Amino acid sequence: EPEVTQTPSHQVTQMGQEVILHCVPISNHLYFYWYRQILGQKVEFLVSFYNNEISEKSEIFDDQFSVERPDGSNFTLKIRSTKLEDSAMYFCASSPGTPRGYNEQFFGPGTRLTVL
Amino acid sequence: GNSVTQMEGPVTLSEEAFLTINCTYTATGYPSLFWYVQYPGEGLQLLLKATKADDKGSNKGFEATYRKETTSFHLEKGSVQVSDSAVYFCALSDLLSGGYNKLIFGAGTRLAVHP
Repeated sequence: EPEVTQTPSHQVTQMGQEVILHCVPISNHLYFYWYRQILGQKVEFLVSFYNNEISEKSEIFDDQFSVERPDGSNFTLKIRSTKLEDSAMYFCASSPGTPRGYNEQFFGPGTRLTVL
Repeated sequence: GNSVTQMEGPVTLSEEAFLTINCTYTATGYPSLFWYVQYPGEGLQLLLKATKADDKGSNKGFEATYRKETTSFHLEKGSVQVSDSAVYFCALSDLLSGGYNKLIFGAGTRLAVHP
């Protein structure tokens, strides 16, 4: 059964460093998402991506964040200069897409980011 | 804005006990409602969904009914198993312009089932 994969499973970085989190969505899906979950808190929407551009982003997704689909299969989240408060579990999701209505989102296992 | 509130955990039950996890929501318009489950070390999996009022979603013995009058979507199972131990997330879809969605999640409820 197709699934969303994410690498690495755990990333440890120093404050101020750049990190890139990697996701491979399900191959025929059209819509891509990043969510994050700070330990003990809610899963929060970060950004959605369609047709090679951001379609919606939350207030969390500031200039330090960017997303890219560089090669038609990978979908990356970059944090340019990490802060302590960026420590969280980051989930990638994809959905097949229909013009209207709900599309089931399929989630990856997450990348745990720890900023020291 | 739209939001989801679910009961805090952990919920600890013995095998074969009845499970209820409460979920209420605030939304403008007519959202779809979901329960996701996260087993240890895995991603979020869709457990069940309901797309309009009075719909009942069901899967693997779990059920939830979309109650517009009480803005609720409580998760129930008649007889839990040890394998049901996981974190359960209630969520609603917020329809974005263009027809696709972002999900708004509750805080999650950890369920632990003991033999």
